[in-house]
Amino acid sequence: GAGVSQTPSNKVTEKGKYVELRCDPISGHTALYWYRQSLGQGPEFLIYFQGTGAADDSGLPNDRFFAVRPEGSVSTLKIQRTERGDSAVYLCASSLTPGDYTEAFFGQGTRLTVV
Amino acid sequence: QKEVEQNSGPLSVPEGAIASLNCTYSDRVSQSFFWYRQYSGKSPELIMSIYSNGDKEDGRFTAQLNKASQYVSLLIRDSQPSDSATYLCAVNTNKIIFGKGTRLHILP
Repeated sequence: GAGVSQTPSNKVTEKGKYVELRCDPISGHTALYWYRQSLGQGPEFLIYFQGTGAADDSGLPNDRFFAVRPEGSVSTLKIQRTERGDSAVYLCASSLTPGDYTEAFFGQGTRLTVV
Repeated sequence: QKEVEQNSGPLSVPEGAIASLNCTYSDRVSQSFFWYRQYSGKSPELIMSIYSNGDKEDGRFTAQLNKASQYVSLLIRDSQPSDSATYLCAVNTNKIIFGKGTRLHILP
């Protein structure tokens, strides 16, 4: 596609429920990032994929968070037993190749609200 | 020490003046550096990337990198009200890490 696409754009869920957030990267981009952004903060790194594998998942806050990218394109961020503190904008970015000299481009984000 | 540090601002600059935004980073092996602009309620938009020491100019924007001092800056010349936004510094340390951002307000 022309840009990074994230769905849904907004998600409201009840505390304790399970949610899935989807990211469709720019066609041909092998690297995919997930970030979480709270109000007044910069994007907080969660996980980074090179192709199908998670190259670095050190930013996932706990085992309630999990992400997959089974075919090396679309990725899904999964959050179990949601808590009110999970409320944030979840941003996905992709870049053409992994490595040092890459520029990442963002989707419009999914605003998650846990009530 | 945080990996990427920025002054949160707000930084207020008169229209037409030069806005100077600064960023320091902790990982000496970082090779690539980025500036993103984020308008309220929108996602970050890449405006500059820099990989070598020195200056890189693109229109009204100049990025400056000093790897010895672990310092990167962004200058915006002839500031316009439309430049009012949060500017995010990002550093590639095997993954792309962001600072908290500096809020810039251009005064008409």
